Amino acid sequence: GNSVTQMEGPVTLSEEAFLTINCTYTATGYPSLFWYVQYPGEGLQLLLKATKADDKGSNKGFEATYRKETTSFHLEKGSVQVSDSAVYFCALSTSNQFYFGTGTSLTVIP
Amino acid sequence: DVKVTQSSRYLVKRTGEKVFLECVQDMDHENMFWYRQDPGLGLRLIYFSYDVKMKEKGDIPEGYSVSREKKERFSLILESASTNQTSMYLCASRGGSEYEQYFGPGTRLTVT
Repeated sequence: GNSVTQMEGPVTLSEEAFLTINCTYTATGYPSLFWYVQYPGEGLQLLLKATKADDKGSNKGFEATYRKETTSFHLEKGSVQVSDSAVYFCALSTSNQFYFGTGTSLTVIP
Repeated sequence: DVKVTQSSRYLVKRTGEKVFLECVQDMDHENMFWYRQDPGLGLRLIYFSYDVKMKEKGDIPEGYSVSREKKERFSLILESASTNQTSMYLCASRGGSEYEQYFGPGTRLTVT
């Protein structure tokens, strides 16, 4: 079946630190992969996406590369800011269904 | 920009009440979804709809029903609310040719 596994949090980093949130997936076929972000009290917003192997999604300094050989889609940012504090969800889509990871809470301290 | 709106941000209901959660999208999307979000469990799919008057059960449909009479509106109904349905409810929509889902702001429902 299809599933997403992401690293458990919470993650606490100092401002300007490097961020990695690991995400691996299991899927039949050729899924699209996503990272969503949820700020406190809000719904989920699409952060970035990749629709085929070796694609790199990027937005707001965040990046993730679709690695078919390792079935991974790790989220990275070179220098986090306090405003990046949020919950991050990895997700995959096949045909009409979405599968989400359980979310990783990130807190960035000044 | 796609906009998905939900009728309430916060809702408090009593056990046994019938509860309606409304979701409206303005991008003519065919597909709409209802999820609940609970700490440590992530998002779980309750129901989805790929067309007007069509619905499909998700992973946790028990205790819920849905209605889609118009393309832009997808309603989630709790026939008899129970305390274990206290949760954050998220609506999403997706166009037929698009990859991503677009989410509303969520409704935090408390059943007492």
